[in-house]
Amino acid sequence: QQQVKQSPQSLIVQKGGISIINCAYENTAFDYFPWYQQFPGKGPALLIAIRPDVSEKKEGRFTISFNKSAKQFSLHIMDSQPGDSATYFCAASSSGAGSYQLTFGKGTKLSVIP
Amino acid sequence: KAGVTQTPRYLIKTRGQQVTLSCSPISGHRSVSWYQQTPGQGLQFLFEYFSETQRNKGNFPGRFSGRQFSNSRSEMNVSTLELGDSALYLCASSSLYRTSAGELFFGEGSRLTVL
Repeated sequence: QQQVKQSPQSLIVQKGGISIINCAYENTAFDYFPWYQQFPGKGPALLIAIRPDVSEKKEGRFTISFNKSAKQFSLHIMDSQPGDSATYFCAASSSGAGSYQLTFGKGTKLSVIP
Repeated sequence: KAGVTQTPRYLIKTRGQQVTLSCSPISGHRSVSWYQQTPGQGLQFLFEYFSETQRNKGNFPGRFSGRQFSNSRSEMNVSTLELGDSALYLCASSSLYRTSAGELFFGEGSRLTVL
C-alpha cells in the first residue's frame, strides 16, 4: 500500500517558470513532511520540511504548502533554474513510530529548460 | 565534517550469491537507516538502527538483514540474491532520536547489479 502518492512523475518547466509537485498521504499519524532533492549519482538531500501546525513554509525560491484536512502537500519552486533539474521526493513520517523511518513518494523528475 | 560513506559504490553479483554493504555515518550520528531505491518502487525503507539496536524494519524478506556496531558503523547483508534485488542501496544517518526532529543525511549509495 503506497502511503504517499506523488505527482507528476515528470515535469518540464521553462527557465523562470514555477514548478509544482504534489503529494497526498493516507496515514493521519504522519506529522513531518520533508522534501528531498536528488541529483544523478548522488544520494537524496533535504531541501525543505514542514510540520502540520503551519500551512506554508518558504525558504528562498522553495515553498511547501500544506493542507491538513485534504491530507495533501506540495512543493513550489519559483523562478525555476536549469540547476534545479533533479528528482524530487516528498516524504512523511510519524514521531510516534519511535524510529527514523521516512515513507517516500515515488519521485518527480524535473527538467528546467533554458 | 565527512558525510555518510558507503562502500562499495558499485558491485556485480550473480543470483544465489550474498552481498554485504557497509556504511559509515557522520561522526556523532547514532541512527543509521537503510533504503532501497529502484526505478519502479522508488525509495523503500529497509531498517533502522540506533545504538546497535534495530528499532524498525520495513517490509522486506528475511534475506535482508543488517547490524550496527558500537562505533555506529552499519552493515547490511542480502543473502541468496535475486534479480529483483538489483538496486541502489542508500544509507542515511542522523544525530537525533526521531525523524520528525530533523533531517536524514544520505550517502551516495551502493549500486548492486544481480546477473
